Amino acid sequence: DQQVKQNSPSLSVQEGRISILNCDYTNSMFDYFLWYKKYPAEGPTFLISISSIKDKNEDGRFTVFLNKSAKHLSLHIVPSQPGDSAVYFCAAPEYAGGTSYGKLTFGQGTILTVHP
Amino acid sequence: KAGVTQTPRYLIKTRGQQVTLSCSPISGHRSVSWYQQTPGQGLQFLFEYFSETQRNKGNFPGRFSGRQFSNSRSEMNVSTLELGDSALYLCASSKGTSGAYNEQFFGPGTRLTVL
Repeated sequence: DQQVKQNSPSLSVQEGRISILNCDYTNSMFDYFLWYKKYPAEGPTFLISISSIKDKNEDGRFTVFLNKSAKHLSLHIVPSQPGDSAVYFCAAPEYAGGTSYGKLTFGQGTILTVHP
Repeated sequence: KAGVTQTPRYLIKTRGQQVTLSCSPISGHRSVSWYQQTPGQGLQFLFEYFSETQRNKGNFPGRFSGRQFSNSRSEMNVSTLELGDSALYLCASSKGTSGAYNEQFFGPGTRLTVL
């Protein structure tokens, strides 16, 4: 049972254009979401997060949108740069009693390729 | 501030052997989580330790175990290795305190190959 899903295994965009990466979730208990970026032979690096009390969070070129009713979130990268080429994961922590006991549930990842 | 370190970075073992992987968290972080990444299953949570106690465990067989020391360093052990255990093993550290979400910082991983 995949509680966090990224249905697009890959995405290819031209430098300077917008990249939109999508993520769907099924667990209505999730109330915080994160995007991680991963290069080969490195661990994931935190990019941006969003709490369920918001529907948008921006950080420079990165914006995450959350649609709670649709259980959908998306990451927008504008403008896309060749250095953004990596695997992008969305993830959600699981809470019990107000504490996240370390468990992040990840999507399968989307490979983003930005062409010069 | 030094990041999360994992040793060794690469490891080759044969079926039936056991292996121990090590993770040193960021200074001041008391929580260490372990994940397995494979092409088929993606990133899956193994377990989390906080102050030397396992607080959470994923859906993995008992061959996968871990521990945490008083300095917050953590080890994970896989006994009786199987071919399917070939994976990238990642550890992540965080403050581990309750309340607002504590960001997890990942190490570079240990690439385990089982022959």
